[in-house]
Amino acid sequence: DTEVTQTPKHLVMGMTNKKSLKCEQHMGHRAMYWYKQKAKKPPELMFVYSYEKLSINESVPSRFSPECPNSSLLNLHLHALQPEDSALYLCASSRLEGTEAFFGQGTRLTVV
Amino acid sequence: QKEVEQNSGPLSVPEGAIASLNCTYSDRGSQSFFWYRQYSGKSPELIMFIYSNGDKEDGRFTAQLNKASQYVSLLIRDSQPSDSATYLCAVNPNFGNEKLTFGTGTRLTIIP
Repeated sequence: DTEVTQTPKHLVMGMTNKKSLKCEQHMGHRAMYWYKQKAKKPPELMFVYSYEKLSINESVPSRFSPECPNSSLLNLHLHALQPEDSALYLCASSRLEGTEAFFGQGTRLTVV
Repeated sequence: QKEVEQNSGPLSVPEGAIASLNCTYSDRGSQSFFWYRQYSGKSPELIMFIYSNGDKEDGRFTAQLNKASQYVSLLIRDSQPSDSATYLCAVNPNFGNEKLTFGTGTRLTIIP
């Protein structure tokens, strides 16, 4: 089983809203990732958690706040987003650092 | 120089033929290499990974890695219309560094 589950699949939020994206995996993977993907572009890394600790923050604006409550869950808290933040947000996990990563189905976010 | 380069295509291949996708990378110390397939509006799906020089085969797919020349390729035999997608090459600089770097992707179209 190589399933990474993301919820919700679609999200529309206003610029003053607070929302959260959720990601779950039960493969025992110890690295989890958030990526952002704009149309016709490759995924861009946002955050990496390794063994439930934040190991990489790619200079992401503070309106995006990641959280890793346990080894199976990863959240991305959103606050005061801008329309240009509209994108496909992808969660991924891998067994260890540098090994093959599996993506969830993504959350299509629209900021209005 | 981009870290991971791919020909953006589109690459058109007749059904039943071999599709050949290429990727070059700049970091000579890179250790792990991945091919993802992404259908329009969907998330990337891992189809092959390779860590050692040489060929790795899985069904109709063969990944080829040449570290001396810093390229990795993906061959798809007996191409099917369902193979039409964007193929993303991804490279990890070294084990212990989770910063997967993606190429811009090659759009492949299989012509019936």
